[in-house]
Amino acid sequence: GQNIDQPTEMTATEGAIVQINCTYQTSGFNGLFWYQQHAGEAPTFLSYNVLDGLEEKGRFSSFLSRSKGYSYLLLKELQMKDSASYLCAVRDNTGFQKLVFGTGTRLLVSP
Amino acid sequence: GAVVSQHPSWVICKSGTSVKIECRSLDFQATTMFWYRQFPKQSLMLMATSNEGSKATYEQGVEKDKFLINHASLTLSTLTVTSAHPEDSSFYICSARSGQGNNEQFFGPGTRLTVL
Repeated sequence: GQNIDQPTEMTATEGAIVQINCTYQTSGFNGLFWYQQHAGEAPTFLSYNVLDGLEEKGRFSSFLSRSKGYSYLLLKELQMKDSASYLCAVRDNTGFQKLVFGTGTRLLVSP
Repeated sequence: GAVVSQHPSWVICKSGTSVKIECRSLDFQATTMFWYRQFPKQSLMLMATSNEGSKATYEQGVEKDKFLINHASLTLSTLTVTSAHPEDSSFYICSARSGQGNNEQFFGPGTRLTVL
């Protein structure tokens, strides 16, 4: 089975740094994705990790530890427009390579 | 990135009617398409996976006779919600994968279904 957990909500201040954690227990693993989703819109791709370590992409970084079943998304220099839901998703290693999403974290950035 | 479209973007229907939602990959051939449902303030829940030319594979708890999926071509998949009820009101999102490169999934803009 699949179990992917994230904190439900987080708040942070504009200009600050926030870390959103994701823990997972899955029957198969072929990569972990982070998506951003604004209300009423489709998810947009942020990052992808398949090997252990940190992937940096501008203000966003994502870390993966496969042995611990753990990932985090780090957002730096927060802006008001970063207020959104952040979804962690694990891709399985079956033929379909399904993406299974975590519970999602709603981030509110305040002035 | 690749583009996936959905039609309609929103639909309101009466209870008991059927609604068809289309998902198209506009600039690539999608060997696999996925259908998700998202209730307010919740994450995406995978409903089913479809491969072109074969029957869809449904996730546990999803009624295949109620949510009919057809993947007739490499660029089109449809989801038909049959005999819709108010509890089917949700945001339905499709995604498509090309089967090439890193197999990234590209998401459609979603369809908001409201059943009265």
